[in-house]
Amino acid sequence: NAGVTQTPKFQVLKTGQSMTLQCAQDMNHNSMYWYRQDPGMGLRLIYYSASEGTTDKGEVPNGYNVSRLNKREFSLRLESAAPSQTSVYFCASSTRQGVYNSPLHFGNGTRLTVT
Amino acid sequence: GENVEQHPSTLSVQEGDSAVIKCTYSDSASNYFPWYKQELGKRPQLIIDIRSNVGEKKDQRIAVTLNKTAKHFSLHITETQPEDSAVYFCAGLEGGDDKIIFGKGTRLHILP
Repeated sequence: NAGVTQTPKFQVLKTGQSMTLQCAQDMNHNSMYWYRQDPGMGLRLIYYSASEGTTDKGEVPNGYNVSRLNKREFSLRLESAAPSQTSVYFCASSTRQGVYNSPLHFGNGTRLTVT
Repeated sequence: GENVEQHPSTLSVQEGDSAVIKCTYSDSASNYFPWYKQELGKRPQLIIDIRSNVGEKKDQRIAVTLNKTAKHFSLHITETQPEDSAVYFCAGLEGGDDKIIFGKGTRLHILP
């Protein structure tokens, strides 16, 4: 039981390059999330997917696209990377327990540098 | 204003003393109130949570209290130890059942 797995762990891109961050969970969770974390800025929601087949914008969606490939996988794509997207990216998943939300389970993060 | 506000942003306490961090939320639909701890270079991990039908929950030195009327919940750490030094985050909902956002975090320093 691996939990939430993110790849890659580290990535360096040049401005204008594209890349896809991969995330998979094996907990049968319905909801999946992408956050970015900058120093002193906390965790900001980029996109989320409440269930397979749906995606919604978060707080900072500009410059990103997502795909909920199936219940397990949720990818984040940067079409044309910019230095402002240098950050640590976390994928997370959770599910509802009746009417209640439940804890987020995080992956180990991807450290992205855009030069 | 922000939907999830956390205070203070930095907190320093003497080892052995207590620490309290407060989180204010605005979404009335919120029914689940978690606190996460993030150590340097690591992912955030849940340390304690509470549902809206409960006013307080304790787990050894950690407790969470909820005031639904005032829309805030607090993290209490007693008998603080060096390993409590970390960044703590609260989380809540923004405009939907599954849109989970975080407070800006509190950096807790435990002084020897």
